[in-house]
Order: sequence, then C-alpha cells, then structure tokens
Amino acid sequence: SAVISQKPSRDICQRGTSLTIQCQVDSQVTMMFWYRQQPGQSLTLIATANQGSEATYESGFVIDKFPISRPNLTFSTLTVSNMSPEDSSIYLCSGQSGNTIYFGEGSWLTVV
Amino acid sequence: EDKVVQSPLSLVVHEGDTVTLNCSYEVTNFRSLLWYKQEKKAPTFLFMLTSSGIEKKSGRLSSILDKKELFSILNITATQTGDSAVYLCAALRWGSNYKLTFGKGTLLTVNP
Repeated sequence: SAVISQKPSRDICQRGTSLTIQCQVDSQVTMMFWYRQQPGQSLTLIATANQGSEATYESGFVIDKFPISRPNLTFSTLTVSNMSPEDSSIYLCSGQSGNTIYFGEGSWLTVV
Repeated sequence: EDKVVQSPLSLVVHEGDTVTLNCSYEVTNFRSLLWYKQEKKAPTFLFMLTSSGIEKKSGRLSSILDKKELFSILNITATQTGDSAVYLCAALRWGSNYKLTFGKGTLLTVNP
C-alpha cells in the first residue's frame, strides 16, 4: 500500500491569491492524479500528473488555473491560481500503487 | 463520456440491518470497479473488482461485479453506527487515457 501526505491540510485564502498544495507519497507510484471535491459533490478529476512532463488536464480544467508539477515518482504539487470563492473545495491527491488507487487526506481550501 | 451512477443517493437504516448499494457504469476501455468509504476525510479504499462474478469480502462488507450488465453492488450486513459514511463507486478506464470516474455516492446513515 501507499501512504499519501498532503500539505496544507486546510487553509483560508484571500480572493485573487494563489496557493500550492504539496503531495508526498511514501513509495514510488506509477500514476498520480489530482481531484477536486466541491461541497456536497463527488470527486472530479482535474488532471493526471506526469513525471517530468506537462500534466494531462480534463475538460474544464486548464494549466493556467491549475499548474501541476511532478518532478519525481513520489512528489507532486498543484497550484490553484487567482482564487475565487468558487475554488473553495477539497483538493485530493491520489496515486496508483499495484492494483489500487490511494488518496491523500485532502486539502480543504476556503476562499474569502 | 464515462458515466457512473449510484443508487440510492441516501439511505437511513437501523443498526443490524443489511444494506445493498448499487453502482452502474458506462466506461470506455473499462478495467475495474472500485469502492471507497468516505467519512469526513479522504476516501478510504474498500474493494477493487476486475473479474465478473467473483465476490470480494472484508468482514461485514462484500462486493461483486457484473461486467455483462455493467453494474456492481456493495453489501453491508449487520450494520453499525460506524458504517455511517458516503460510499463512493468509481470506474477505472485503462489505456492511454487512464482515468477513475466517480459516482455521486450513497450517503448511508445507520441509527442506533
């Protein structure tokens, strides 16, 4: 199994600012993903974080708004840029290890 | 577009009852069906089902996949208040566009 740690776990952000979320896995994983879970909703995939190259974004998500880095097989970052109240959400990092996809504890962002 | 539909969306039962949660999917290049339990934190992995007709069990929880009819069920027997959570079903697409698509979840409330 893989243990996935995210930082920060929670933050309150001012409108118009940017915040970077870090994701650290305790072992190498093949794939890493970033999800968003808005209040009362299910998980929506933002992008697949590719090691050493640009992330692959899902429809409705763009690199300028959600830049992602993945410098190695155990670490990734997601930046939420120029935040607005609509970005208030839980952001979840996940990684594939073996036949299972594990999730971090999530980063709860509130934009005021 | 990949689609995962869960039913019911919410369910209230008494301790000791048995519940069945449903999940249907339409996914291109389907690989596996995953079940997660989500309380106040990130989703916790329960099961991954890849083969049709083979039941997976973990304590009072069990699940099975029907790849012909494109659905899965999650059974919980002798429910306890600690089973109260949102249960998420997710379908895994394989190949170049590897992706996990989530349903909206079933909110299970177990009353004492």
